[in-house]
Amino acid sequence: RKEVEQDPGPFNVPEGATVAFNCTYSNSASQSFFWYRQDCRKEPKLLMSVYSSGNEDGRFTAQLNRASQYISLLIRDSKLSDSATYLCVVNNLNQGGKLIFGQGTELSVKP
Amino acid sequence: NAGVTQTPKFQVLKTGQSMTLQCAQDMNHNSMYWYRQDPGMGLRLIYYSASEGTTDKGEVPNGYNVSRLNKREFSLRLESAAPSQTSVYFCASSEAQGLTNEKLFFGSGTQLSVL
Repeated sequence: RKEVEQDPGPFNVPEGATVAFNCTYSNSASQSFFWYRQDCRKEPKLLMSVYSSGNEDGRFTAQLNRASQYISLLIRDSKLSDSATYLCVVNNLNQGGKLIFGQGTELSVKP
Repeated sequence: NAGVTQTPKFQVLKTGQSMTLQCAQDMNHNSMYWYRQDPGMGLRLIYYSASEGTTDKGEVPNGYNVSRLNKREFSLRLESAAPSQTSVYFCASSEAQGLTNEKLFFGSGTQLSVL
């Protein structure tokens, strides 16, 4: 089983739609959680950290469920510019705090 | 606003050839990393350097060597390239020391093909 698993997609949604991605992690010792965004053929960039209480940044909302070991990202009112691959990233303290990357979920927002 | 600069952007090698990927950051970060990204897989850590003068193996170090030349620069060397090393390589840096970090800043990547 992969340490961090995501549905690879692609998710094809119309502009204005709400879309949600889930990510599961296998190690209960994981402490920190993040979503990175990667545009086609570009480098990953930090989108947002995920806190236990949940957090929101504009149209983006991240949630953490420690009991079920999953993280979610909700994008409201999707824009064409949201088209990208979204990487779920987990910090594993059992491995010295190493960041473990999921394979990414591809989102395509259509006009 | 250079951030993390890595060169070259593209490279084609024949099996057995050697090459060095260069990486430099201008953010005065302590830690630097080399990752590879393959289709259907997450980024995998090859080597990292928690501080100037130290390097450690990551998840997939075989076939690679690294040098932390100074605080700014961290190079990745393939001594004898193999087709299995065909991948996209990313250099990254972070302010934190060691693996425990929150925000990675990535270079723009190197597309390497080994024939």
